[in-house]
Amino acid sequence: SAVISQKPSRDICQRGTSLTIQCQVDSQVTMMFWYRQQPGQSLTLIATANQGSEATYESGFVIDKFPISRPNLTFSTLTVSNMSPEDSSIYLCSVATGTSSYEQYFGPGTRLTVT
Amino acid sequence: EDKVVQSPLSLVVHEGDTVTLNCSYEVTNFRSLLWYKQEKKAPTFLFMLTSSGIEKKSGRLSSILDKKELFSILNITATQTGDSAIYLCAVADSNYQLIWGAGTKLIIKP
Repeated sequence: SAVISQKPSRDICQRGTSLTIQCQVDSQVTMMFWYRQQPGQSLTLIATANQGSEATYESGFVIDKFPISRPNLTFSTLTVSNMSPEDSSIYLCSVATGTSSYEQYFGPGTRLTVT
Repeated sequence: EDKVVQSPLSLVVHEGDTVTLNCSYEVTNFRSLLWYKQEKKAPTFLFMLTSSGIEKKSGRLSSILDKKELFSILNITATQTGDSAIYLCAVADSNYQLIWGAGTKLIIKP
């Protein structure tokens, strides 16, 4: 399985500011995903990060609020823009090699608190 | 609408007990069912099941899938305090996306 790192591991941010989370993989992967996990909830998919094109967002998530970049097959960023306390969550990136495997492997996560 | 339902939502047992966690699903374009363990932030992969009736094992953990009845179970034998975690079930669809259950919070008392 791929080794995935995420930065920062945690942050406390003020309302109205933005935070960019980075996800780095040690090998080229076909698919990268960004999830949010709010306190006491299961994982919610924000978007699929597509290499060289715009991300594919799930219902309820928009590019203006969660812009995503994926410049190559090993790196992606998620920005949480104009934050409010409701954005306090764990943000996770995951990767899948695709082809015949549906396994996803997760980065260590970013715990975000918005005050 | 696709859905994955886990039960129980929480479970408290004593060290040494055996536990069975359940996952049922209704997913239109089913491809695989996956189990994860989540202790702090990141879920860690346990099993992926694609075929019915074939048990997968890893140490004290095992899992099996029934594609006719649309469910899977995760068994943990001789539980230890380190097994305390949230266990997540997810179903992969044809777009390689995962549909997640709410999780089972397992607490193992010494």
